Amino acid sequence: GQNIDQPTEMTATEGAIVQINCTYQTSGFNGLFWYQQHAGEAPTFLSYNVLDGLEEKGRFSSFLSRSKGYSYLLLKELQMKDSASYLCAAMDSNYQLIWGAGTKLIIKP
Amino acid sequence: GAVVSQHPSWVICKSGTSVKIECRSLDFQATTMFWYRQFPKQSLMLMATSNEGSKATYEQGVEKDKFLINHASLTLSTLTVTSAHPEDSSFYICSAKLGKSDTGELFFGEGSRLTVL
Repeated sequence: GQNIDQPTEMTATEGAIVQINCTYQTSGFNGLFWYQQHAGEAPTFLSYNVLDGLEEKGRFSSFLSRSKGYSYLLLKELQMKDSASYLCAAMDSNYQLIWGAGTKLIIKP
Repeated sequence: GAVVSQHPSWVICKSGTSVKIECRSLDFQATTMFWYRQFPKQSLMLMATSNEGSKATYEQGVEKDKFLINHASLTLSTLTVTSAHPEDSSFYICSAKLGKSDTGELFFGEGSRLTVL
């Protein structure tokens, strides 16, 4: 079956670095997405990886290993506004997104 | 960037009535739109894939006669919750693919919070 696993909740300190992991099993693979979602709002796009390696975009970086079915989202210099849920989603062979349950990130001062 | 607008943002209705939610791509054509529902503290649940000019593809367990989807143009898809009941209260979100691209990001609407009394 198709499955996405990511931690339910993580806590980090303002100014620090946090890594949110995601493992996936899909029928075929056409890329891995990370979205940020604040409570009561729709998700917003953060990153898309389809090749192995690290993609850096400002304070956020995303890594993909296709052979391991593994990705992570790295957030640096954490700010209080980064408190949100982070959704991992893998695109399968039919170009449909399989969504993880999301990781709630709590930032403490 | 591409903008997807969803209306209404909030809606309260009586049990047994029908509610229509609109999803518009404002500055691009979207041949494919997706409808999700999300319960508090849970992830998005894909309800259906809406393709312009054809019938929507519903996910397993989603009643197509209850959740009517119409994608009559390249910029508009509608979700109608028919004979709504309190258990239909949820956050409904639409998203759209840019053009006919099979890869790349989805653009999300702001979401519509439905409360059925």
